Amino acid sequence: DAGVIQSPRHEVTEMGQEVTLRCKPISGHNSLFWYRQTMMRGLELLIYFNNNVPIDDSGMPEDRFSAKMPNASFSTLKIQPSEPRDSAVYFCASSFSGHPNYGYTFGSGTRLTVV
Amino acid sequence: GNSVTQMEGPVTLSEEAFLTINCTYTATGYPSLFWYVQYPGEGLQLLLKATKADDKGSNKGFEATYRKETTSFHLEKGSVQVSDSAVYFCALKDTDKLIFGTGTRLQVFP
Repeated sequence: DAGVIQSPRHEVTEMGQEVTLRCKPISGHNSLFWYRQTMMRGLELLIYFNNNVPIDDSGMPEDRFSAKMPNASFSTLKIQPSEPRDSAVYFCASSFSGHPNYGYTFGSGTRLTVV
Repeated sequence: GNSVTQMEGPVTLSEEAFLTINCTYTATGYPSLFWYVQYPGEGLQLLLKATKADDKGSNKGFEATYRKETTSFHLEKGSVQVSDSAVYFCALKDTDKLIFGTGTRLQVFP
């Protein structure tokens, strides 16, 4: 099992550019979560999906952020246009929904720097 | 609503010292409880879990016991190593969402 795979590992972009982060969850998991981690705010849940359907996007900071899950094996988080305050580490995690005993498996994260 | 409270860090210890990181929770129902660890530059990894009252989770010398009467899930290790330096997150899960604490940084010096 390769675990949760995120790409790219690092992204440096200029303010105003579009950024797309990618995630491949563990095969068989049906929940997927996007988190953002910064020193100031800690770990924040942005959005999560069950069975490819967005369930709670209340953590998405503003309309510049969007997330999709077109199938069970792929999700994207897009920022358009990007701003320097979006600089953070973005994590994807997957799990089984409806199973309280299962934790999440996290990817290694994408470190985004917007200059 | 559900919430998790962790002791603030950093916790600074010498190698082979005893470790306790406090975690208390507020929840309706009977959640499962977790400890995650994040090493520098990496994602969060599941360290241990407990799914019902009085269960003890353990892994890599770390232990935590689910205490319903005190709503606590304190993390302990008898003898820490430099390689244990990391950020530790307590979390609870009732249905689909994990609710994380703010994390506690542990620094172990030789």
